[in-house]
Amino acid sequence: AQTVTQSQPEMSVQEAETVTLSCTYDTSENNYYLFWYKQPPSRQMILVIRQEAYKQQNATENRFSVNFQKAAKSFILKISDSQLGDTAMYFCAFTITSGTYKYIFGTGTRLKVLA
Amino acid sequence: NAGVTQTPKFQVLKTGQSMTLQCAQDMNHNSMYWYRQDPGMGLRLIYYSASEGTTDKGEVPNGYNVSRLNKREFSLRLESAAPSQTSVYFCASRMDRGGNTEAFFGQGTRLTVV
Repeated sequence: AQTVTQSQPEMSVQEAETVTLSCTYDTSENNYYLFWYKQPPSRQMILVIRQEAYKQQNATENRFSVNFQKAAKSFILKISDSQLGDTAMYFCAFTITSGTYKYIFGTGTRLKVLA
Repeated sequence: NAGVTQTPKFQVLKTGQSMTLQCAQDMNHNSMYWYRQDPGMGLRLIYYSASEGTTDKGEVPNGYNVSRLNKREFSLRLESAAPSQTSVYFCASRMDRGGNTEAFFGQGTRLTVV
């Protein structure tokens, strides 16, 4: 069975600084996808970034980037130039590419950006 | 473009009452999902439907039933609500092609069982 672990329940960062959020996962599959979702106080789930396991190049989306270490089963989100609007709960998610594509979520990291 | 629409947004039930949470998507997605979100536990999958007419259990199906009425609609029913079912419920959908497609979520339903 696949599992996703986020070991940081809460994090804080000063505005304009850089912060990293950790995620590890466990799977015996070789083909899969990883995601980071953001959930602001509005409760809306917003996709931040995605990574295909077969791609060695780390994904980037503007101020958001990932450090994907397949052998270590680690998927770290890096937020550069943090903004007050980045304050939210962040979830790491995993899905395999065979069979029914269930999403498995981690327990989340609450990030607070301080002015 | 409405995306994924969940109703109601808030609900208070008494223990033992029943209710149905409604979910509809207008993106022609194949797969639909119901999750519950509890503090410190992330999103846990209750049931999912890979296509119209099929449903499967997720991690926490006990106390729930689902119905994939058609391609657009996927409802979640609590037959006899219990305080342990107090949670925020999310419906989601995705196209399910290639596995990398984004899941789109509804706004959530905050359910309190007293």
